[in-house]
Amino acid sequence: DTGVSQDPRHKITKRGQNVTFRCDPISEHNRLYWYRQTLGQGPEFLTYFQNEAQLEKSRLLSDRFSAERPKGSFSTLEIQRTEQGDSAMYLCASSGGAGEKLFFGSGTQLSVL
Amino acid sequence: GDSVTQMEGPVTLSEEAFLTINCTYTATGYPSLFWYVQYPGEGLQLLLKATKADDKGSNKGFEATYRKETTSFHLEKGSVQVSDSAVYFCALSEGAAGNKLTFGGGTRVLVKP
Repeated sequence: DTGVSQDPRHKITKRGQNVTFRCDPISEHNRLYWYRQTLGQGPEFLTYFQNEAQLEKSRLLSDRFSAERPKGSFSTLEIQRTEQGDSAMYLCASSGGAGEKLFFGSGTQLSVL
Repeated sequence: GDSVTQMEGPVTLSEEAFLTINCTYTATGYPSLFWYVQYPGEGLQLLLKATKADDKGSNKGFEATYRKETTSFHLEKGSVQVSDSAVYFCALSEGAAGNKLTFGGGTRVLVKP
């Protein structure tokens, strides 16, 4: 058990560019979550998957955001046409199922210039 | 919708002092309540939880009691150490929401030797 891994740790991009983040959950965890955390605030829920199915998306997840988990293992979060307001820490978490403890990764810090 | 309010920090204490971080919540149902901790440079970790009214969660000397009548889940520790310096987040999860967590804004705690 190596924990939840996120890549990259940091990403700096120019406004209007597309970015993609990757999350590798703890193996055999069937639930995977994405959260966004801005400076001085608590994490905000974005979306979650059970296996490969995306079961819920927050209203925070605009059309520019898309998340996938094609084989029920790793997940990607893509942001198209980035805006300065997208600058935040993007956190991934996984769990073994309903009611199970969430394990968080260290996050990807996105800075949009 | 669901929300969590916790006291703003930073909270600065001397070693061996008593720590209290207030947390109140608003929820439509009967949520589970959590405290997460984020140590510098690390991911969020579950500190303790309580799943029903009057339950007490405890871990590493920290305690919190689920108070339905006051919709509160205050975190306490009787004697803090420098190693307790971190950001603490109160959170809730509605049972039917697939472990989706709603977080408070976080409270930074700094313990000085």
